[in-house]
Amino acid sequence: KAGVTQTPRYLIKTRGQQVTLSCSPISGHRSVSWYQQTPGQGLQFLFEYFSETQRNKGNFPGRFSGRQFSNSRSEMNVSTLELGDSALYLCASRVGGTDTEAFFGQGTRLTVV
Amino acid sequence: QKEVEQDPGPLSVPEGAIVSLNCTYSNSAFQYFMWYRQYSRKGPELLMYTYSSGNKEDGRFTAQVDKSSKYISLFIRDSQPSDSATYLCAPTGFQKLVFGTGTRLLVSP
Repeated sequence: KAGVTQTPRYLIKTRGQQVTLSCSPISGHRSVSWYQQTPGQGLQFLFEYFSETQRNKGNFPGRFSGRQFSNSRSEMNVSTLELGDSALYLCASRVGGTDTEAFFGQGTRLTVV
Repeated sequence: QKEVEQDPGPLSVPEGAIVSLNCTYSNSAFQYFMWYRQYSRKGPELLMYTYSSGNKEDGRFTAQVDKSSKYISLFIRDSQPSDSATYLCAPTGFQKLVFGTGTRLLVSP
């Protein structure tokens, strides 16, 4: 059974640009959550999608957005990149309920210069 | 007050030691508890998932939950250098999954 796949693995962008990250969950999983991980802040919750609907949202500015497709694949977009957006972006896949196990991908390391 | 508190470490132990990693949480809505292991520059790997108060064992790992005191622990027996990683506790419930900041464990040969 394939795990959670995130693409690309590494990305370098310039301040002011926008970026789109992709996450393919485990087959059969309908929930995808996104997290930002930085050394100082740890894992910070961005948002969760379930069956194409945003079910939960963290405390991030509107520059961070996401969506989920009918095949459960999800994309996350960050517009007007800032240096502080440099981080490891992780997505987690769950079967459905918010109390089920969450499985993570390897992450996309974004560097903003 | 943070919802989850976890000592960041680093915690340094010799190979073969018993390791105790701990978290406290404040929200009684959390009913399920997960422990993750994260190696440097990798995604977190699910180690343990437990619901009830008490102990759950899986190989060298034991997860312990005390809901009355909102305290969760992960014990690692016969620790190995390959256990050197950051360990994250993650309580979940009521549509929230939050993470501790992680404890960095270093096991020396």
